[in-house]
Amino acid sequence: AQKITQTQPGMFVQEKEAVTLDCTYDTSDPSYGLFWYKQPSSGEMIFLIYQGSYDQQNATEGRYSLNFQKARKSANLVISASQLGDSAMYFCAMREEGGKLIFGQGTELSVKP
Amino acid sequence: EAGVAQSPRYKIIEKRQSVAFWCNPISGHATLYWYQQILGQGPKLLIQFQNNGVVDDSQLPKDRFSAERLKGVDSTLKIQPAKLEDSAVYLCASSSRTVFIYEQYFGPGTRLTVT
Repeated sequence: AQKITQTQPGMFVQEKEAVTLDCTYDTSDPSYGLFWYKQPSSGEMIFLIYQGSYDQQNATEGRYSLNFQKARKSANLVISASQLGDSAMYFCAMREEGGKLIFGQGTELSVKP
Repeated sequence: EAGVAQSPRYKIIEKRQSVAFWCNPISGHATLYWYQQILGQGPKLLIQFQNNGVVDDSQLPKDRFSAERLKGVDSTLKIQPAKLEDSAVYLCASSSRTVFIYEQYFGPGTRLTVT
C-alpha cells in the first residue's frame, strides 16, 4: 500500500532564511505524482508544487522547490527566503491511481521575525 | 473563477444526532472528493465522485455516512447517527484535469464537533 511519511511534527525558521521539510514515500507503482499543500489556520488546503515520477528535473514554483530523490523515495520541500505568512501546516501527498491523494501527517512550520 | 464552496463552516451537535454538509465545486469540475481531517492528522479520502457516479467509497463508514452528487454538480455528505470520533474537519475538493497531475482545489472545510 502507498504511504507518505513526514517525520517533523514541527519546525522553526528565522524570517528570510531557507527551510527544508522532509517527506518520504512508499509505492510499488512506477508512475506516481507527489504534491505539497499548505494549510493555514483558516483550514483551506493550498496547492504549492507537483513532481511527477518521470520528471527529469526538480520542480520549482517561485520560492518553493522540491528536492526529488527517487532512489531514496524522498520528496523534500524547500522554501527559500521564509516569510511570516509561511507559518502554517504543510502536507506532502501522493496521488493514487484514480486521482485520490494519500496525505502524510503534516509538519507545522513557524517563521520567527 | 469562484473556488470550492462549503457550508456550514462550523457545526456542533450531540452524539446520535444527524448532520449534513454541502459542497459546490468549481464550475466544470467533473471530479469531486470528500476528505475527513481529524485534528493532528492529514486528510483521508471518504468518497470520490466522477460526475454523479461514485468512483471510490472504500473508506466511507457506510453504516452512518452517506453522500450524493445529484446532477453531477453539488454534493451533500450526511452523518447519521454521529459519534464522538466523527469530530473533524470535512474538506471538499474538486478537479477537472484529465492528465496525470489531477490537481485538486479544496474548499474551506466544515469543522464538526460532536459532544
